[in-house]
Amino acid sequence: QVQLQESGPGLVKPSQTLSLTCTVSGVSINSGSHHWTWIRHLPGKGLEWLGDIYYSGSTYSNPSLKSRLSISIDTSRNHFSLSLRSVSAADTATYYCARENVYGSSAFDSWGQGTLVIVSS
Amino acid sequence: QSALTQPPSVSGSPGQSVTISCTGSSSDVGLYNRVSWYQLPPGTSPKLLIFEGSSRPSGVPDRFSGSKSVNTASLTISGLQAEDEADYYCSSYTTSSTVIFGGGTKLTVL
Repeated sequence: QVQLQESGPGLVKPSQTLSLTCTVSGVSINSGSHHWTWIRHLPGKGLEWLGDIYYSGSTYSNPSLKSRLSISIDTSRNHFSLSLRSVSAADTATYYCARENVYGSSAFDSWGQGTLVIVSS
Repeated sequence: QSALTQPPSVSGSPGQSVTISCTGSSSDVGLYNRVSWYQLPPGTSPKLLIFEGSSRPSGVPDRFSGSKSVNTASLTISGLQAEDEADYYCSSYTTSSTVIFGGGTKLTVL
């Protein structure tokens, strides 16, 4: 059974970089069968797709974040990561990593438990 | 990219049916069969209910069904149960090779 687990600091200062890692177990991240995705839930607001990555390293990102966002993958460690630069209070959210259920479906069937990241000095 | 449009709230009594709409455009919902629906109970991770417009993952009851007409997708929950009370989100793939979500709909079971 596939499991995803986010890890990273829960508190980041404004203007700094938010870095999170998603460790995947139960399936090989380089199987080529899924995209691996970051999504956040803004407090009092909705879900926001941040971007995804394929085992080959190809990525797609939300245009509203593209200049600040990087997503990388480490197939040897079976994990993928997010880096969001120059954060502000508007980036305070619960961050989820997720797996696309079938390649090309853009649907996410397995999610991490989510990690709350607060941007504050 | 603008979010898909969902009603902020819907409600229904146990046993009834409710439908949640999700309106996009010809660049997302209307163009692709890649609409998904998620249930988000308080304090838990989202759960995939519907993918590719009308397909259900294994384990999702057939009380949940999805459909689409032009630029609007719909999620229908029949035989409403108290445990269905949650927030529901739709999403769609777009011509920009991204995914956009709806603003979410709060379902209240009366």
